Amino acid sequence: QITLKESGPTLVEPTQALTLTCTFSGFSLSTGGVGVAWIRQPPGKALEYLALIYWDDDKRYSPSLKRRLTITKDTSKHQVVLTMTNMDPVDTATYYCAHGGSFEWNWFDPWGQGTLVTVSS
Amino acid sequence: QSALTQPASVSGSPGQSITISCSGTSSDVGSYNFVSWYQQHPGKVPKVMIYEGTKRPSGISNRFSGSKSGNTASLTISGLQAEDEADYYCCSYAGHSYVFGTGTKVTVL
Repeated sequence: QITLKESGPTLVEPTQALTLTCTFSGFSLSTGGVGVAWIRQPPGKALEYLALIYWDDDKRYSPSLKRRLTITKDTSKHQVVLTMTNMDPVDTATYYCAHGGSFEWNWFDPWGQGTLVTVSS
Repeated sequence: QSALTQPASVSGSPGQSITISCSGTSSDVGSYNFVSWYQQHPGKVPKVMIYEGTKRPSGISNRFSGSKSGNTASLTISGLQAEDEADYYCCSYAGHSYVFGTGTKVTVL
């Protein structure tokens, strides 16, 4: 059974950086064809793709946010880390990590429970 | 890249069929068969209902079906039930990233 869980700060001040960790089980990010993505959802709004990392360390970012995003993986710890710089109140959202996004598994399933991040001073 | 375009809302009576459209471009929906659909109930985590345009994951009712024509993908829910009332999002591979739709609220009258 695949599970994922997001962790990180619930409150971030404007201009600060946000670092979120996705800890997963039930699969390995060293196995070919595996990917983990980050997706966010502002309150009452639509889902937005952020970034994806593959088993071979290839990384794919949202074109509109790529300058602010960094995604990394720690295979031994079964973790994927997302860093977003220069946070703004419009970045207030529930941030999800999800399994998938590779050529072989080009959808997102399952998802973590999500973590709400509020950007405010 | 811009979000895929979905109608803001679609409604239907129990037992009826409804279709949600997802309009993209030749750079996303039109170029790949990697379209997925997600159902999200209020306060809940999104759940995949269709992947690769037409395929249903194990456990998903055959009342849900997907299709694609040109740059537009569609999700059809037949035999509408009260439990189908939720938000629905399409998602497409877009070459070097993914893009989600604007979301559709389905109301069961």
